[in-house]
Amino acid sequence: DAKTTQPTSMDCAEGRAANLPCNHSTISGNEYVYWYRQIHSQGPQYIIHGLKNNETNEMASLIITEDRKSSTLILPHATLRDTAVYYCIVRDYGSGNTGKLIFGQGTTLQVKP
Amino acid sequence: EPEVTQTPSHQVTQMGQEVILRCVPISNHLYFYWYRQILGQKVEFLVSFYNNEISEKSEIFDDQFSVERPDGSNFTLKIRSTKLEDSAMYFCASSGGPQPQHFGDGTRLSIL
Repeated sequence: DAKTTQPTSMDCAEGRAANLPCNHSTISGNEYVYWYRQIHSQGPQYIIHGLKNNETNEMASLIITEDRKSSTLILPHATLRDTAVYYCIVRDYGSGNTGKLIFGQGTTLQVKP
Repeated sequence: EPEVTQTPSHQVTQMGQEVILRCVPISNHLYFYWYRQILGQKVEFLVSFYNNEISEKSEIFDDQFSVERPDGSNFTLKIRSTKLEDSAMYFCASSGGPQPQHFGDGTRLSIL
C-alpha cells in the first residue's frame, strides 16, 4: 500500500500558485519523497524529489517539513496544462531495494481559467 | 531530452493469444520496470529488472508474464495467454540507479 495520504482533489486559479500537500508520517530515514503527475492516461511524469532539504527545479518546488512527516509541492504559476493527477510517493533506496514506485490515488488538480 | 518509447501505442488481441509489448529505455539506464493501470484505477507495479534478471515482482506478475532484454536496447513484456482482465495501460520505465524513473507513454492493451 501507498505510504502517503493526499487530498482527493483540489482546484487552483490559472496564474496562481498551486500548493499540493502530502502526509507521509511513517517515512523512514532511507526514503525519499517523489512527486509525479499523470495527464489524462499518459505515462507518469517525474516532477521533483527530495530527502530532507527543500528542492526547486524548473517545474516546481518541494517543501519538506523538518520532521519529514509531510511535504508540499508548489507549482508557482499554474497553467491549464498543469491539470493532472499528482502523486506523492516515498521511495526507498535501501540496500537490495529495487526502488519500485507504489502509487496511491493521488490528488486531481483542476486549474481553472 | 532522452525519453522512453513504447510500441505499439494500442494493441488489440483475442483472449488466449500471446502478446509482446515493447519498450526502448533511455540508453544509459540500467534499471527497467513495467507497471500497469487498469482503467480508472491506480498505477500498479509489475516487475523490476536489473543486470539481466528480475529484481522484484508483484503478485500480479504470475507465470503468464515474462520479461526479457533481448538486445542492448529493447525491454519486452510478454503475456503468454491473455485474459480479459489483462486489459489495461502498460507503462515501461527506466532509471540510471537511485535516480528518478522515467516513464513511456504506455501501450493500451485491449483483450477481446
